[in-house]
Amino acid sequence: NAGVTQTPKFQVLKTGQSMTLQCAQDMNHNSMYWYRQDPGMGLRLIYYSASEGTTDKGEVPNGYNVSRLNKREFSLRLESAAPSQTSVYFCASSLTGQGAFFGQGTRLTVV
Amino acid sequence: AQRVTQPEKLLSVFKGAPVELKCNYSYSGSPELFWYVQYSRQRLQLLLRHISRESIKGFTADLNKGETSFHLKKPFAQEEDSAMYYCALSSGGSYIPTFGRGTSLIVHP
Repeated sequence: NAGVTQTPKFQVLKTGQSMTLQCAQDMNHNSMYWYRQDPGMGLRLIYYSASEGTTDKGEVPNGYNVSRLNKREFSLRLESAAPSQTSVYFCASSLTGQGAFFGQGTRLTVV
Repeated sequence: AQRVTQPEKLLSVFKGAPVELKCNYSYSGSPELFWYVQYSRQRLQLLLRHISRESIKGFTADLNKGETSFHLKKPFAQEEDSAMYYCALSSGGSYIPTFGRGTSLIVHP
């Protein structure tokens, strides 16, 4: 059982470049989330998807877009990367009301 | 709006000492509360759910609705407990987890 799988694990981008972070879960969870983790800030919700076909903004959505491709996959796209988006990104999934399962994270540096 | 506060950024103890990581929340309804642990450069893992009332790795947490707290406790800390600990709250129809800023626990030998 793989759980939640994120790719890539590391990425360096130049300012203005675009990229997509991929996330897939094999636990048949309805809800999926993207968080960013910054020192002293904890985890902040970027976007979430309560079910296949729906997405909603979280606390810090600016500069990001998401796609819930199917029940398994939830991708995060940076259209024009900025240094302020340097962070560790975590994808997570859960059944409604249950604890979340996390991916291993993507460490993104924007130079 | 729901909020989770972890007042300590860093907690430093010696092996064998008791540990209490504080978590306070604000939410008007009935919350679901969780503790997650993140070991160095690893993914977050669910440690405890308040509703299950279980003990994992010697840690326990009790929901105190009067004080709106969900503190994490362990009577005797071990070096392998050194990690980042996050308190989280889920509530309402969406059940989106809201996280505190985390407390770094360092257990010295």
